[in-house]
Amino acid sequence: GQQLNQSPQSMFIQEGEDVSMNCTSSSIFNTWLWYKQDPGEGPVLLIALYKAGELTSNGRLTAQFGITRKDSFLNISASIPSDVGIYFCAGRDSGAGSYQLTFGKGTKLSVIP
Amino acid sequence: DSGVTQTPKHLITATGQRVTLRCSPRSGDLSVYWYQQSLDQGLQFLIQYYNGEERAKGNILERFSAQQFPDLHSELNLSSLELGDSALYFCASSQDRAQHFGDGTRLSIL
Repeated sequence: GQQLNQSPQSMFIQEGEDVSMNCTSSSIFNTWLWYKQDPGEGPVLLIALYKAGELTSNGRLTAQFGITRKDSFLNISASIPSDVGIYFCAGRDSGAGSYQLTFGKGTKLSVIP
Repeated sequence: DSGVTQTPKHLITATGQRVTLRCSPRSGDLSVYWYQQSLDQGLQFLIQYYNGEERAKGNILERFSAQQFPDLHSELNLSSLELGDSALYFCASSQDRAQHFGDGTRLSIL
């Protein structure tokens, strides 16, 4: 089956620093999504990417859909304490008309004030 | 608030029992997805319904079943529960390729 490798697994950064995390896939996806999950809550959609090469921003967050369609990265600029949480990438393969998502294992972000 | 509502928030039961988890999708979303999240397996896709019809199946056990009703709400039924079924169960809904998640049901099997 499809596998997503998300790295790093965890990060400790100082408030104000920039953060970068990425995902690579063993197969081609036609959609990449980035989510943030806080304890006790469901994943919240941050950015959706639909085309290879697409670069999209949402406030301090920027994500890109890799040209090979097998990877994506998420950058967070000027981190703040509320950025703490687990970030997940997810990819969708449109084969067989299914919209199911494959998720990475997550990047746990800790921000030191 | 994603607009996806899941009930109950917490469920505690015993092995061998059966439970039903409920999901109301965002207004206008025809697709509903169920996921299981456990510490060692991450988020795993279980099943998808679109406008009342099953669309895709993932790693869903035979002891588990789901349905989507005419008003588009969905239920996930888990039977003959085992200790390993303890997990967070999420429902997501979508109109297009982006899925929006509820806050989940935490199932604990004693």
